[in-house]
Amino acid sequence: AQSVSQHNHHVILSEAASLELGCNYSYGGTVNLFWYVQYPGQHLQLLLKYFSGDPLVKGIKGFEAEFIKSKFSFNLRKPSVQWSDTAEYFCAVNAKDNYGQNFVFGPGTRLSVLP
Amino acid sequence: DGGITQSPKYLFRKEGQNVTLSCEQNLNHDAMYWYRQDPGQGLRLIYYSQIVNDFQKGDIAEGYSVSREKKESFPLTVTSAQKNPTAFYLCASKFLEGVGNQPQHFGDGTRLSIL
Repeated sequence: AQSVSQHNHHVILSEAASLELGCNYSYGGTVNLFWYVQYPGQHLQLLLKYFSGDPLVKGIKGFEAEFIKSKFSFNLRKPSVQWSDTAEYFCAVNAKDNYGQNFVFGPGTRLSVLP
Repeated sequence: DGGITQSPKYLFRKEGQNVTLSCEQNLNHDAMYWYRQDPGQGLRLIYYSQIVNDFQKGDIAEGYSVSREKKESFPLTVTSAQKNPTAFYLCASKFLEGVGNQPQHFGDGTRLSIL
């Protein structure tokens, strides 16, 4: 079965700082990778996804993520964060195992951006 | 607009009482999922269903039950056997593979508390 780890529980940045949130997964087979964001009081929304092709994927709101297969990583980046990026970020993996089409989520990283 | 509707938004349970959380989707998605979200633990899968009248246990199914009598509905019952039910419950749905590997879409969640 696959698992997902996220490096930081809580990240605090000032506006305009650069962001990188780590995500590592364990699974030897083919994976699809996702980053979801949960703004305070809102439902989870898809930020970006990787299925195949270019390992650098761009998502909404200026976010991007790079899939490094050799490192089993899918880190999320943004060059300059804004106060409105304050949210919880979840990395997720979708791979075929006994659960079929199931997703496995990481524990989440809370991002606080100070104005 | 298509989407996933969870109700109620807040729910209180007395000791020894069963409660049912509603999840309805009008996206014509095949698969539906229930997750439990606890602080610092991310999302953990309770049950999922890929087809009507069929469902599978997730990682933490004990104390919960589900049904899938209709494609658009996947209610979750939190039984009295669930000793620590206080959590945020999220319902999700997605198309199954065949049209590309699709991301999950989430409802707004139900927050369950014990009286």
